Amino acid sequence: EDKVVQSPLSLVVHEGDTVTLNCSYEVTNFRSLLWYKQEKKAPTFLFMLTSSGIEKKSGRLSSILDKKELFSILNITATQTGDSAVYLCAVDKGGSEKLVFGKGTKLTVNP
Amino acid sequence: DAGVIQSPRHEVTEMGQEVTLRCKPISGHDYLFWYRQTMMRGLELLIYFNNNVPIDDSGMPEDRFSAKMPNASFSTLKIQPSEPRDSAVYFCASSFAGNYGYTFGSGTRLTVV
Repeated sequence: EDKVVQSPLSLVVHEGDTVTLNCSYEVTNFRSLLWYKQEKKAPTFLFMLTSSGIEKKSGRLSSILDKKELFSILNITATQTGDSAVYLCAVDKGGSEKLVFGKGTKLTVNP
Repeated sequence: DAGVIQSPRHEVTEMGQEVTLRCKPISGHDYLFWYRQTMMRGLELLIYFNNNVPIDDSGMPEDRFSAKMPNASFSTLKIQPSEPRDSAVYFCASSFAGNYGYTFGSGTRLTVV
């Protein structure tokens, strides 16, 4: 059975801290891994990773994929209160358009 | 583009009643997905369509759930009869094949009492 496991489940930090969120997966026919940010409403797309070792970066957020060890990390540097959200990891399986989601990491950034 | 539009935003209904959730995907997107989100189970795929045809409904929990997509701009998810355990946020999402990363609607928060 396909599995996407995120850790930690929740995290509380202070503004300015750096955080690392983890995502490991076991799926058949892996095609890509995606990160989403979910605030109060719909998940919004952050990154898509398909190749090992190539970092994707957007401002203070960055992510990297290790296809050999089957995991990805999402880093957020100099966190701000606006980064408070649930961060979801999802794996795209080849041969279909289905995404398998992890349960998410709830990040709380306190002032 | 207005994005993926779902209605209603909130629905409170009594056990046993029929519930219909609606979704308008982004124009030009050829895939449409229905997901359910709960604290316990996270985001679960219920069913998805390609060019209005259901492709995989293996996530539909039981016969009480049904989904239709009569045309490229509209889909419904129906629960009949509803039960308290159906309480969740239901998301619709759409995508264009080859352009990875769904666009989600704002969701319908369903409460069955």
